[in-house]
Amino acid sequence: NAGVTQTPKFRILKIGQSMTLQCAQDMNHNYMYWYRQDPGMGLKLIYYSVGAGITDKGEVPNGYNVSRSTTEDFPLRLELAAPSQTSVYFCASKEGGLNQPQHFGDGTRLSIL
Amino acid sequence: RKEVEQDPGPFNVPEGATVAFNCTYSNSASQSFFWYRQDCRKEPKLLMSVYSSGNEDGRFTAQLNRASQYISLLIRDSKLSDSATYLCVVISSGGSNYKLTFGKGTLLTVNP
Repeated sequence: NAGVTQTPKFRILKIGQSMTLQCAQDMNHNYMYWYRQDPGMGLKLIYYSVGAGITDKGEVPNGYNVSRSTTEDFPLRLELAAPSQTSVYFCASKEGGLNQPQHFGDGTRLSIL
Repeated sequence: RKEVEQDPGPFNVPEGATVAFNCTYSNSASQSFFWYRQDCRKEPKLLMSVYSSGNEDGRFTAQLNRASQYISLLIRDSKLSDSATYLCVVISSGGSNYKLTFGKGTLLTVNP
């Protein structure tokens, strides 16, 4: 199993550009999450999904959109990139059940210049 | 009170030392707890779950105190490779959903 796969690993965008961060998991997990982590800070939840076709806002959803058309994929879209969105983005997935931990992808390092 | 609060750190300890971190949570209905470690510029990785009766995995011991609403992580005989940020995670259920809350992390540096 590959686990949680994120692409790209690094990206530099210009202000106002758009892009999609890809996240795929092959563990058949229903729950998927997008976080951002700024330098020296904790994880902040952007969006999450409890299953295909269902998405919900997290703590910091502004400037982002997500979709969940399949169980495997949970892409995160930035429509108008802003310098404040420079961060490391982590995708995670989780099996159902209270005692199941999250599994994280390697992260995408995004710089907006 | 924040939902999840960790010892702010940073902790600097010599090799071989014993070090403990605490993490308090505000939601008394929280049901599951985990410790993750995060190396610099890497993703968080599960270190261990925290069980009600406490649990041990080699040099690592995790404990839960529901009455005082905190979990702890004890590392014995610290190694240089233990240097990382340690994150606590608290899970509570809300209907069919699960709410996961991460602490901000405690940075540990083990020095030779």
